[in-house]
Amino acid sequence: QQQVKQSPQSLIVQKGGISIINCAYENTAFDYFPWYQQFPGKGPALLIAIRPDVSEKKEGRFTISFNKSAKQFSLHIMDSQPGDSATYFCAASIGAAGNKLTFGGGTRVLVKP
Amino acid sequence: GAVVSQHPSWVICKSGTSVKIECRSLDFQATTMFWYRQFPKQSLMLMATSNEGSKATYEQGVEKDKFLINHASLTLSTLTVTSAHPEDSSFYICSAPSGRAYNEQFFGPGTRLTVL
Repeated sequence: QQQVKQSPQSLIVQKGGISIINCAYENTAFDYFPWYQQFPGKGPALLIAIRPDVSEKKEGRFTISFNKSAKQFSLHIMDSQPGDSATYFCAASIGAAGNKLTFGGGTRVLVKP
Repeated sequence: GAVVSQHPSWVICKSGTSVKIECRSLDFQATTMFWYRQFPKQSLMLMATSNEGSKATYEQGVEKDKFLINHASLTLSTLTVTSAHPEDSSFYICSAPSGRAYNEQFFGPGTRLTVL
């Protein structure tokens, strides 16, 4: 049973546009929600993370929106650049950031110049 | 951010041999590390939690005799794929909680295993 569902599977956006990736979770015990960026052949890199006590967090061009009642969270990439072309994973964990992560299925983002 | 390294970055071996992959936290100590495998164009699948000073905790369906994990020190965990077969070919990635402000997990660069 997939506990974190991610959509879309792939996304094409023009340079300067907004990339939006959505995730939904089932386990209400999850209380830490990070997003990771992965380039081919590399390990995932932490982008941004949020806890359920806030509804939005912004770091540079990356924003997480969190809806606790709907059990959904999303990543917005503003002013998308070709260098943002990568696979993005949402994840969730229980209890603390250092606990084991449950990953979404991933979204391959292609930013066209 | 905190740095996690893996060695080797890639390895090719013959079927039936064993392969050891190292995961090191370079600038912090980690009592816990996690091991994942990732197939092409798929998500990360947690295999096991490596615990310093005690036995690893394996996820359901992961053969503990097949994937031996040893957390030798606060900066080193190893994954040994025993009697590797072609179906074990995958991208293996480790992660470790940084122990810093929000204890975020940082991932290693991954190890590509190809079993012929």
